[in-house]
Amino acid sequence: KAGVTQTPRYLIKTRGQQVTLSCSPISGHRSVSWYQQTPGQGLQFLFEYFSETQRNKGNFPGRFSGRQFSNSRSEMNVSTLELGDSALYLCASSQGQGPGYTFGSGTRLTVV
Amino acid sequence: GENVEQHPSTLSVQEGDSAVIKCTYSDSASNYFPWYKQELGKGPQLIIDIRSNVGEKKDQRIAVTLNKTAKHFSLHITETQPEDSAVYFCAASLMNSGYSTLTFGKGTMLLVSP
Repeated sequence: KAGVTQTPRYLIKTRGQQVTLSCSPISGHRSVSWYQQTPGQGLQFLFEYFSETQRNKGNFPGRFSGRQFSNSRSEMNVSTLELGDSALYLCASSQGQGPGYTFGSGTRLTVV
Repeated sequence: GENVEQHPSTLSVQEGDSAVIKCTYSDSASNYFPWYKQELGKGPQLIIDIRSNVGEKKDQRIAVTLNKTAKHFSLHITETQPEDSAVYFCAASLMNSGYSTLTFGKGTMLLVSP
């Protein structure tokens, strides 16, 4: 079956702009989590959505937001981009009732 | 919150040798400990996991051990092969009714030389 699909794979944005990243989970998975990966901080949890509701949130500023649609697809948005937002953004899906994340290949965001 | 320390940050071994990566966690309530392998250009892939009610788990050349008292867990790879070269991450989580987040270690870059 198809894995977790993230689009786009690469993105270059200018400081101050906003960006939207998309994630399509594995069919049947209702939970989608987002992580930021940087060389300095490693993998850090952003937020998790389950059945269109955010049920957990990491320690990131309000510029980072997300949503989940009725088909479980999720988007995350970053407004007023800063240079430090340059990172690999990873989406992971699960059935939502136990362990077993499957990660996508990520979106590489570069802010210039 | 949970804090996970991972060592070493880099590990170089010869093909056929064993490799051991160690992690410690801070929250004694954590009960789920997965290990992920990340290859260049790809997302992390789950390779093995262990729950707090188990002390050891094996899957072919890979094994994980957990010491709840000391709050540390380790990944053991035997008979390493060049294709084992990747970055490995440990993580800890409190699994509660399927509601969980993973706290990751900073990763170990494993290089297996032929």
